[in-house]
Amino acid sequence: AQTVTQSQPEMSVQEAETVTLSCTYDTSESDYYLFWYKQPPSRQMILVIRQEAYKQQNATENRFSVNFQKAAKSFSLKISDSQLGDAAMYFCAYRGNTGNQFYFGTGTSLTVIP
Amino acid sequence: ETGVTQTPRHLVMGMTNKKSLKCEQHLGHNAMYWYKQSAKKPLELMFVYNFKEQTENNSVPSRFSPECPNSSHLFLHLHTLQPEDSALYLCASSQAAGTLAKNIQYFGAGTRLSVL
Repeated sequence: AQTVTQSQPEMSVQEAETVTLSCTYDTSESDYYLFWYKQPPSRQMILVIRQEAYKQQNATENRFSVNFQKAAKSFSLKISDSQLGDAAMYFCAYRGNTGNQFYFGTGTSLTVIP
Repeated sequence: ETGVTQTPRHLVMGMTNKKSLKCEQHLGHNAMYWYKQSAKKPLELMFVYNFKEQTENNSVPSRFSPECPNSSHLFLHLHTLQPEDSALYLCASSQAAGTLAKNIQYFGAGTRLSVL
């Protein structure tokens, strides 16, 4: 079964600074999709960014970007110019090209220091 | 607001009670999901419904009983729960599951369940 590992239970960043959250995964599939979700205190999971494994170019969404290393099975999230509203739990998720399952990591709690 | 609404937000129940969680999506999706979120553990997929048909049941105990009367509504009926079932229960929806895997899941805000 696929596994997703987030090795940083907690991270903190100074407002306006940059932080990188780590994620590794294990799979034997060649085609799959990776996601970062944000869960603020309101508890509603919101998609931050996604990456298709067949694309070499790293995905970018405004201040959020990923560093996708397929060979290393690594998918880190970089948040630039951190804002107070970025404080939340961040979950890395994997989905294969077939089937119904998303696999989630255990999450990283991000604190933004004013 | 993601278009997925869950009620109630909080629920406290005894082990002998029967209660139901409700999920409703206004996104025109055909697939709906129940997840269990416990502290320091990955989200656990419980059930998947695709066009009102259950397609996944990840070895969930029978004290959890899902119901999907139509593509917009999903229920989780609870009966004779155990204290270890206390968790945040999240509902999600997406376009048809099992197709075009890049489909994104949209989540509700969850029901915080406490079993006494």
